Amino acid sequence: AQTVTQSQPEMSVQEAETVTLSCTYDTSESDYYLFWYKQPPSRQMILVIRQEAYKQQNATENRFSVNFQKAAKSFSLKISDSQLGDAAMYFCAYRSAVLIQGAQKLVFGQGTRLTINP
Amino acid sequence: KAGVTQTPRYLIKTRGQQVTLSCSPISGHRSVSWYQQTPGQGLQFLFEYFSETQRNKGNFPGRFSGRQFSNSRSEMNVSTLELGDSALYLCASSSGQGAWNEKLFFGSGTQLSVL
Repeated sequence: AQTVTQSQPEMSVQEAETVTLSCTYDTSESDYYLFWYKQPPSRQMILVIRQEAYKQQNATENRFSVNFQKAAKSFSLKISDSQLGDAAMYFCAYRSAVLIQGAQKLVFGQGTRLTINP
Repeated sequence: KAGVTQTPRYLIKTRGQQVTLSCSPISGHRSVSWYQQTPGQGLQFLFEYFSETQRNKGNFPGRFSGRQFSNSRSEMNVSTLELGDSALYLCASSSGQGAWNEKLFFGSGTQLSVL
């Protein structure tokens, strides 16, 4: 079974600075997808960024980028120019690419609570 | 386009009762997944329905069941409630086609408290 580990329960950063959230995972599969989701106080999970395992290039979405190290099974999220609106719980998630065609099943980490200090 | 709608937002039940939660996916989406979120166990996958058929199932006891209707709306039922069933229940919808960039859209959840 796959597992996802986020070793930082809480992180804080000054507004406008850069912060990196860590995520490691364990799997025996070679093809899979990785995601970072954000959960603000509204409780709705919002996709921040995603990465295909077979793509060497790290994904970027505006101020958000990842450092994907497949051999090390590491998938960290970097937030640049942190803004107050970035404050939320951040979850790293894994999805197998070998499930039944189209099947959706995410394995989540425990989450990291990010605080932005003004 | 309306988002994923979950009802009710909050629910209080007592041990031994049963409860039904509802999820209306985004129009056109055929896949609905359910997750349980607790402070101790985090987010755990319950099951996924696609075109009225359960396509995937997590490791939960048989007290947890679900179904999907022809309009893709889904319900989740928990029978013989236990204190440990207190959690935020999230549902998510997608087209269900499995493309790598297929996005999962989440609702705001139903907060269930079992007393």
